[in-house]
Amino acid sequence: QVTLKESGPVLVKPTETLTLTCTVSGFSLSNPRMGVTWIRQPPGKALEWLVQSFSNDARSYGSSLKSRFTISKDTSKSQVVLTMTNMDPVDTATYYCARILEAGAPYYYYYMDVWGTGTTVTVSS
Amino acid sequence: SYELTQPPSVSAAPGQTARITCGGHNIGTRSVHWYQQRPGQAPVLVVYDDSDRPSGIPERFSGSNAGDTATLTISRVEVGDEADYYCQVWDSSSHHVVFGGGTKLTVL
Repeated sequence: QVTLKESGPVLVKPTETLTLTCTVSGFSLSNPRMGVTWIRQPPGKALEWLVQSFSNDARSYGSSLKSRFTISKDTSKSQVVLTMTNMDPVDTATYYCARILEAGAPYYYYYMDVWGTGTTVTVSS
Repeated sequence: SYELTQPPSVSAAPGQTARITCGGHNIGTRSVHWYQQRPGQAPVLVVYDDSDRPSGIPERFSGSNAGDTATLTISRVEVGDEADYYCQVWDSSSHHVVFGGGTKLTVL
């Protein structure tokens, strides 16, 4: 059974750095056609894709926030870590990690087949 | 960047058919995926690659995609289908995952 679980602080202060960890089970982060992506959802708003990472260390970042994000992985621990600098109250949201699959050839497409339950982060002084 | 447009809300009576659209330029040339998000829960994949269903998703959920519109169709709507639904594509030009703005399905 594939599962993903987010963990990290519930509350951070403005300007601080947020570090979230996604711990996966049931699949390997070494699988070339599977990766982990981070998506967030501000209260009452739509889903917003942030970043994804694959086994070959290929990464893609959402444009608007690219300079603030870093994604890294520890394959031995089955963990993917998202770091977001200079947090602001507008970053208050539920943050999800999900397994992202690469499919199709030669015109690849990507979709998320299993999601974590999410972790809510509030940015406030 | 590529954009997807969904109606904010759709309603259907129990037993009827609900259709949720997702508009985008030549979206018919892309693979479209759909997610259901019940209140307070994480999203769940209900349709991928336009019309395929993951295991465990009822046959009542189906998808189609042509021209500038992709459609998620929910047949024999149930109260438990009340949720937000999001369409999603991969934009190969920008290497981005793109979500639509979401549609709230209300079961009357």
